Amino acid sequence: NAGVTQTPKFQVLKTGQSMTLQCAQDMNHNSMYWYRQDPGMGLRLIYYSASEGTTDKGEVPNGYNVSRLNKREFSLRLESAAPSQTSVYFCASRTIQNSNQPQHFGDGTRLSIL
Amino acid sequence: QQQVKQSPQSLIVQKGGISIINCAYENTAFDYFPWYQQFPGKGPALLIAIRPDVSEKKEGRFTISFNKSAKQFSLHIMDSQPGDSATYFCAASMNRDDKIIFGKGTRLHILP
Repeated sequence: NAGVTQTPKFQVLKTGQSMTLQCAQDMNHNSMYWYRQDPGMGLRLIYYSASEGTTDKGEVPNGYNVSRLNKREFSLRLESAAPSQTSVYFCASRTIQNSNQPQHFGDGTRLSIL
Repeated sequence: QQQVKQSPQSLIVQKGGISIINCAYENTAFDYFPWYQQFPGKGPALLIAIRPDVSEKKEGRFTISFNKSAKQFSLHIMDSQPGDSATYFCAASMNRDDKIIFGKGTRLHILP
């Protein structure tokens, strides 16, 4: 019953450092997503992957890269962290094979860039 | 055309009252409208969802009302309880489209 697992839960970086946020799902979902959540801005899509081997840009992709490692895992990388990337990051997964289905979210990674 | 507009941004309701959150959309191709509930420190979780072929869906104290002609839908929480205090997001998507479009969220606080 793990669902969507994100690691780490908290991280503090200095400007210019790099890091990778990890996400794994055990529900055999095809699609995976990365969002950032900022006060008053709702959930903004960074990147998504409709299936293993494919990735597409969302609303706010600049400064980020992603890798769909396999069907279970979808990672988000910050190559050179900036204070504007301080946010809470959520990973989600979904299957859309049989009609619209909801997204299932992890509990987030809280990232601070100093 | 891809936006989902949500209001109010924040809402305070007395215990036992009715909480109402409204959303509007432009894209008539949307055909799936979920609502998500998010507690502090947690990810959003599906609360209730509706498709445009029905005007209302009820699950316990939570009801979605859908007005296709006005391109609006709303969440009603009856007999609101302090445990309902959370952030609520409306959303919309098209059949077999990968993306779900979220509203900006409503922070609901129920006074004990």
